[in-house]
Amino acid sequence: EDQVTQSPEALRLQEGESSSLNCSYTVSGLRGLFWYRQDPGKGPEFLFTLYSAGEEKEKERLKATLTKKESFLHITAPKPEDSATYLCAVGYYGNNRLAFGKGNQVVVIP
Amino acid sequence: DSGVTQTPKHLITATGQRVTLRCSPRSGDLSVYWYQQSLDQGLQFLIQYYNGEERAKGNILERFSAQQFPDLHSELNLSSLELGDSALYFCASSAQGSAYEQYFGPGTRLTVT
Repeated sequence: EDQVTQSPEALRLQEGESSSLNCSYTVSGLRGLFWYRQDPGKGPEFLFTLYSAGEEKEKERLKATLTKKESFLHITAPKPEDSATYLCAVGYYGNNRLAFGKGNQVVVIP
Repeated sequence: DSGVTQTPKHLITATGQRVTLRCSPRSGDLSVYWYQQSLDQGLQFLIQYYNGEERAKGNILERFSAQQFPDLHSELNLSSLELGDSALYFCASSAQGSAYEQYFGPGTRLTVT
């Protein structure tokens, strides 16, 4: 069964303390891996698309990487405004739906 | 702001009732997706419409239905509501050729009492 698993579920970081979030997947026919940011009570906000192993994307303090079985979202020198839940999703051939993981809840303490 | 709008923002209703949630996609987007988000299940895909036609179905209950109108707005109808239907309901849209890059609306929080 196709599955998307994110770890850790929750993470508390001191401001400036870099860390990484993991998204592992078991999907047949991966069409792409997607990272979203979600603030409490709001809709997910699109961050990155990764299509092939070895690909990397960056945006401010965030960097997403992809291997054949997992993706990492690296947060470098985080600030309190980076506090959010980060959602990983996969899309696969023959189906336009996204399958989401349960998210990594990140809190950055000043 | 993603450009996707949803109304209402909050909805409180009783068990057994029926409600309609409305979504307007980003300008030019033909695809609309509906998702349900609850604390225990995470974000679950319900259904997709493309230019008025149903394209894909996920874990959508028979008590739920959706449609997309000629002006591309979409409505999600939830009937015979149960306590377990309380959740956030999100609509997303995508551009033609970019089905997986979906842009989400602010959501409708449904509370069934």
